[in-house]
Order: sequence, then structure tokens, then C-alpha cells
Amino acid sequence: AQKITQTQPGMFVQEKEAVTLDCTYDTSDPSYGLFWYKQPSSGEMIFLIYQGSYDQQNATEGRYSLNFQKARKSANLVISASQLGDSAMYFCAMRERRTDKLIFGTGTRLQVFP
Amino acid sequence: KAGVTQTPRYLIKTRGQQVTLSCSPISGHRSVSWYQQTPGQGLQFLFEYFSETQRNKGNFPGRFSGRQFSNSRSEMNVSTLELGDSALYLCASSLITGEDSPLHFGNGTRLTVT
Repeated sequence: AQKITQTQPGMFVQEKEAVTLDCTYDTSDPSYGLFWYKQPSSGEMIFLIYQGSYDQQNATEGRYSLNFQKARKSANLVISASQLGDSAMYFCAMRERRTDKLIFGTGTRLQVFP
Repeated sequence: KAGVTQTPRYLIKTRGQQVTLSCSPISGHRSVSWYQQTPGQGLQFLFEYFSETQRNKGNFPGRFSGRQFSNSRSEMNVSTLELGDSALYLCASSLITGEDSPLHFGNGTRLTVT
């Protein structure tokens, strides 16, 4: 069964520093997509970045990059040059081709301090 | 381009009542998914609609139902409300279905059942 694990309930990072949020997944489907979302305290879920299971290169979107290690089944999010506005909950999610359901991990609360 | 719009933003209902939540997807998006978010259970998938047909369903009781209209707008209905139904209900849309299709979420409807 598909499963997403985020082991860090909370993380702290100083402004302008980089931070890595961990995500591991489990699936038997060779075709799947991995996603990261940001949820500020206002509640909206903001799509950040996507990585396909067949992609050879790590995805990048501005200050966000996804460190994809397929053999380890990990898809860590790296945020470079953290900003105060990055303080939020971050969710890792996966969607298998077979089930086509997007399932989420439990999230990591990131707090950026000056 | 307007994002996903959910109405109302907040709702207060009493046990035993029913409630209908509305979602307007991003223009051109044909897939609409619904999620329930609670502190205890996290983000749980309710169902997905594509071209007015339910494609996928999560593990929720039959009190939770939905539908999609020809203009892709969707509604979710919860009958015989229970205290445990208090949650943030998130609607998301995507252009197509599939493991490489990111979901774009609305701001959610916060339902409180008293």
C-alpha cells in the first residue's frame, strides 16, 4: 500500500539559511508522482514542486529543490535562503498511477527565525 | 486566472443537521477532489470527480457524498452531522487526472459541528 512518512514534526531554521525537510515513501507502483505542498496558517494548500518517478534529474522551482533518491525511496525538500514567509506546514504527497489518489504525509512545521 | 474557490469559508452546524459545501475549480480544470483535514487524522482523501463521474473514493461513510456539474463545479454533502465531522474541508482541481498532475487547492471550508 502507498505510504508517505515525514519524521520531523517541527523544524527551526534561521533566515537566509537552507533547510531540508525529509520525506520517505513506499509504493509498489513503478509509476508515481511526488509533490510538496505548503500550508500557511491561513489554511490554503500551495503546490510547490513535483517530481516524477521516471525523472532523471531533481526538480527545482526557484528556491525549492527536491532531492530525489529513488533507491532509498526518499524525496526531501530543500529550501534555500529561507525567508520569514516560509514559516508554515509542509506536506509531502504521492500519487500512484494505479490508484490515482493523492495521499499526504503528516507534515512538518517549519519556523524561520530572524 | 482565478484559483479554486470554496464557499462558504466558515460553517457552524449542530449534530444531526446536514451541510453542503461548494467548490469552483480553476477555469478549464475538469477534475475536482475533496479532502478532510483534522489535527488527529491529517489530510484524508474523500473523493474525486472527473467529467461529472466519481473516479475515486476514500474510506468515508455514506453520509459523505458529492457530485460534479457539467461546468466542473462540485458540491460535497454531509448528512446527519457528527461532532467528529468538524474539520477543514479542502477542494482541489487539476487539469487532468494522473500521477503527474498536481492538485491546486482552495482556501477550504472550516466546518464546526456543535
